[in-house]
Amino acid sequence: GDSVTQMEGPVTLSEEAFLTINCTYTATGYPSLFWYVQYPGEGLQLLLKATKADDKGSNKGFEATYRKETTSFHLEKGSVQVSDSAVYFCALSGNAGGTSYGKLTFGQGTILTVHP
Amino acid sequence: KAGVTQTPRYLIKTRGQQVTLSCSPISGHRSVSWYQQTPGQGLQFLFEYFSETQRNKGNFPGRFSGRQFSNSRSEMNVSTLELGDSALYLCASSLDITGELFFGEGSRLTVL
Repeated sequence: GDSVTQMEGPVTLSEEAFLTINCTYTATGYPSLFWYVQYPGEGLQLLLKATKADDKGSNKGFEATYRKETTSFHLEKGSVQVSDSAVYFCALSGNAGGTSYGKLTFGQGTILTVHP
Repeated sequence: KAGVTQTPRYLIKTRGQQVTLSCSPISGHRSVSWYQQTPGQGLQFLFEYFSETQRNKGNFPGRFSGRQFSNSRSEMNVSTLELGDSALYLCASSLDITGELFFGEGSRLTVL
């Protein structure tokens, strides 16, 4: 079945540092890929997405490129801020027909803490 | 436009009781999904409804059930609560085209 593996956390960085959170996936066909962010006490918010190979999703300074050859969707940001502290989830939406409806397969989440 | 609304936000129950959680999707979204989030298991898919029909279901026991109404609002019910049901229950809605889900803030259930 589909699966998503994220780098283990937590990740602690100083403000303005470079961020990479690795994400690899296993899926049949051509899934859509997502990064969601969860701030303390809140639900998940979509950060960015990519729907086909070589697509680059970007938002709020974050970027991720859909690499089919390496089955990866790594999240990057050039200069993190304290306000970026949150939990980040990589996810995929399969395309196996009925078994995919409404279902995202999530990674285990990576806690990011950014210090001033 | 208003986001996904879940009620109640917090609730405490005791073992053996049942609970009903409610979700109002974004206007125009006909697909509603439910997820359970726990520290140990992460985010796990419960089920998905579209036009009042359950189209997809995760690997949860029959104590977990749901339904969707004609206005796309959805409820999920957990009967005979167990301590392990303590979790954040997240509802999400979508336009059922891109696979992109829009999540509510969740209902945090504590079972004592």
